[in-house]
Amino acid sequence: ETGVTQTPRHLVMGMTNKKSLKCEQHLGHNAMYWYKQSAKKPLELMFVYNFKEQTENNSVPSRFSPECPNSSHLFLHLHTLQPEDSALYLCASSQDLARGVYNEQFFGPGTRLTVL
Amino acid sequence: AQTVTQSQPEMSVQEAETVTLSCTYDTSESDYYLFWYKQPPSRQMILVIRQEAYKQQNATENRFSVNFQKAAKSFSLKISDSQLGDAAMYFCAYRSLYSGGGADGLTFGKGTHLIIQP
Repeated sequence: ETGVTQTPRHLVMGMTNKKSLKCEQHLGHNAMYWYKQSAKKPLELMFVYNFKEQTENNSVPSRFSPECPNSSHLFLHLHTLQPEDSALYLCASSQDLARGVYNEQFFGPGTRLTVL
Repeated sequence: AQTVTQSQPEMSVQEAETVTLSCTYDTSESDYYLFWYKQPPSRQMILVIRQEAYKQQNATENRFSVNFQKAAKSFSLKISDSQLGDAAMYFCAYRSLYSGGGADGLTFGKGTHLIIQP
């Protein structure tokens, strides 16, 4: 596997289910991100992990719970979601060296989530 | 907070022609990065081109070039000699130069759907 991978690619779940999205990066990066892409809306940043520490949470509802066990893996745990949470969830990674230094974010293919 | 606006939901161009996608942004910062990302139907987001705000020279990557107007807060993408493989959603994105703790996310526009007509 190369780049950023995400599993599953498609997920259908009921509002009472608990599921998890997985992201893995094979690039040796130290920062990982979750974005939400809804129809006709800009991509929304949800969570940022830098050196395994969460550094940003853009007022995401608590029914979304991120986990970053190491610098290569990122999870998004889902529970009691709402139909409006249906979207494409994109994972990204980058190698951020220091404040003020930015490197390209590489994106995964996304997980298409449908909440019934 | 920064915002990014792409006013063209959809653009169509004949193969081999040139097309320009528009992007404007709003920020109070003086140092930042701007990007154009491409998302083909397969959904993998790919970086097309980037521009550092402190650089006056417009970035160029093969057939892709930008027109960066800092005072006007405008950042358009020009695609020359359009090819069928250029068909995709194109997103304009913004990132602060100095983030709070190191890594920082991108602020995206809504995207422009580019259609290439053979």
